[in-house]
Amino acid sequence: ILNVEQSPQSLHVQEGDSTNFTCSFPSSNFYALHWYRWETAKSPEALFVMTLNGDEKKKGRISATLNTKEGYSYLYIKGSQPEDSATYLCAFRNSGNTPLVFGKGTRLSVIA
Amino acid sequence: EAQVTQNPRYLITVTGKKLTVTCSQNMNHEYMSWYRQDPGLGLRQIYYSMNVEVTDKGDVPEGYKVSRKEKRNFPLILESPSPNQTSLYFCASSDTFTGGTDYGYTFGSGTRLTVV
Repeated sequence: ILNVEQSPQSLHVQEGDSTNFTCSFPSSNFYALHWYRWETAKSPEALFVMTLNGDEKKKGRISATLNTKEGYSYLYIKGSQPEDSATYLCAFRNSGNTPLVFGKGTRLSVIA
Repeated sequence: EAQVTQNPRYLITVTGKKLTVTCSQNMNHEYMSWYRQDPGLGLRQIYYSMNVEVTDKGDVPEGYKVSRKEKRNFPLILESPSPNQTSLYFCASSDTFTGGTDYGYTFGSGTRLTVV
């Protein structure tokens, strides 16, 4: 079973703070890395799908980077807002015919 | 509206009573999958299907069955539910992810199952 690690497990920040968290995955055999946002009582929603080393993606105040050679991706949130409070999941795939393996997530709480 | 529809949202049942959780998508996706979410364990894959009549075991398939007779539907069957199958279940679908492309999953709204 592939190991996808996310850190930290949980995070509390003040409104307006910028924050980031990490997803680590096996650096051998990379196909794709996904980020999802999962609000309580809702279903996970795709944020980014990243496939190339050095990829940087951005959606509003949220951005992500990818380093496939060293096996990590960072998710950044600039100027956190209470509505950013959610669990952020990353998921990794090592080939084009295998399913995603999810990390356990980073739970972000933004305090107003 | 493009979506994955799961039913029921909530279900309480007794040990041993067969049940089916339905999942249907309207996006013509080839890939569908079932996950269970348990505290501290993250999303764990139960079964997945790359296309009609093609299903494969995920990481935790014991006690579950699936079928994929048509593209849009991927029901999860618990023939004899046990309390350790109490969990939050998600169905997900996506376009196929071969040939250098990859697509995000669309998740259903979840089914919270309690087996007593």
